[in-house]
Amino acid sequence: DTAVSQTPKYLVTQMGNDKSIKCEQNLGHDTMYWYKQDSKKFLKIMFSYNNKELIINETVPNRFSPKSPDKAHLNLHINSLELGDSAVYFCASRQTSGGSGNEQFFGPGTRLTVL
Amino acid sequence: AQTVTQSQPEMSVQEAETVTLSCTYDTSESDYYLFWYKQPPSRQMILVIRQEAYKQQNATENRFSVNFQKAAKSFSLKISDSQLGDAAMYFCAYRRTGNQFYFGTGTSLTVIP
Repeated sequence: DTAVSQTPKYLVTQMGNDKSIKCEQNLGHDTMYWYKQDSKKFLKIMFSYNNKELIINETVPNRFSPKSPDKAHLNLHINSLELGDSAVYFCASRQTSGGSGNEQFFGPGTRLTVL
Repeated sequence: AQTVTQSQPEMSVQEAETVTLSCTYDTSESDYYLFWYKQPPSRQMILVIRQEAYKQQNATENRFSVNFQKAAKSFSLKISDSQLGDAAMYFCAYRRTGNQFYFGTGTSLTVIP
């Protein structure tokens, strides 16, 4: 019944490694997002896809590459991990048409720790 | 540029009392949406309440209500009859027409038994 799910929930890895975080939503939404929440709890948007098309691409190192195989999935691949990449990464989704407010629904977050 | 400011990094309230969390935002738009999200220690982001800028009436959800002052660009959250489960980080967020959301830096709320 989980609306927005992320795997894994925890990820501990060494500097220089490549890792992926997966996100899936079963709400039928057409737009998905990736956010980074740092140690001070600041939420920063990274990417957004609408119907598999990239629509928001904030200033993020090109080591981060999102991929949306379909509108229910948005994965985040990170190359050459650095210490500063340690954070909680949230996936979110929303429906851009109809309804009121079209708020975002968030996944449970993935805590990434780079050693 | 749109910015959202939460000037209270930390707040505390006695159980059963009322607390108000402040939020101001900067925009030149007339049509937009405002949200309050709650992030408890479990880190799950949960929508508390939303407000459409074109609506004059303040939104209310059970013990949660907002004071939306459009001219002042202010959007405060009032929590009545505070409960221990209300302890969390609260984020104010803004979205104009389009897909991008802007979040404030959050207010950490402690509920004192």
